[in-house]
Amino acid sequence: AQKITQTQPGMFVQEKEAVTLDCTYDTSDQSYGLFWYKQPSSGEMIFLIYQGSYDEQNATEGRYSLNFQKARKSANLVISASQLGDSAMYFCAMREGRDDKIIFGKGTRLHILP
Amino acid sequence: NAGVTQTPKFRILKIGQSMTLQCAQDMNHNYMYWYRQDPGMGLKLIYYSVGAGITDKGEVPNGYNVSRSTTEDFPLRLELAAPSQTSVYFCASSRLETGVYGYTFGSGTRLTVV
Repeated sequence: AQKITQTQPGMFVQEKEAVTLDCTYDTSDQSYGLFWYKQPSSGEMIFLIYQGSYDEQNATEGRYSLNFQKARKSANLVISASQLGDSAMYFCAMREGRDDKIIFGKGTRLHILP
Repeated sequence: NAGVTQTPKFRILKIGQSMTLQCAQDMNHNYMYWYRQDPGMGLKLIYYSVGAGITDKGEVPNGYNVSRSTTEDFPLRLELAAPSQTSVYFCASSRLETGVYGYTFGSGTRLTVV
């Protein structure tokens, strides 16, 4: 079974609109962390945002926020006021276990339309 | 600049050849990782290391070997290259607790086996 599920292979969004990228996860650990990474066409992996399993408030970083619903095992990324430069592949990832390994989902390709 | 340095950036190998992908970090991170990313897919963990002299298998270790003789370096060895190993390889590092900052990724090595 997949540990990280991203159900949207691709999305098209109009510039300046908000966009939500879905992510669900599966773990039996009580302590875990959730990440979102951006991969533009240039290929590098850019860390966006982190949510710890014990964090009571949703994480925010500028235009990025993580909608963390623990009971539903959901960690959706919300990008407000999308920009053309947001066009990229987005990966949800989870850290669990004692070895700090991070497991990645298959990604969602986001296209921002002018 | 501090970070994770991967060499080479591109390489074409013939079937059956061997090569070593180099990875070095200067942040004194204990944890280091090798991932591969197949076209249109997420990252899969090949091997990881929690410190010098300690390595362990990830999700897809077959066909690869690693060593960690120093904190800074974590080379990935491909023996008898096969077309199935055509991929982009990312090295990453982290402190004991990734926390807010997640992994630091290298810029990747694009490997083609023909």
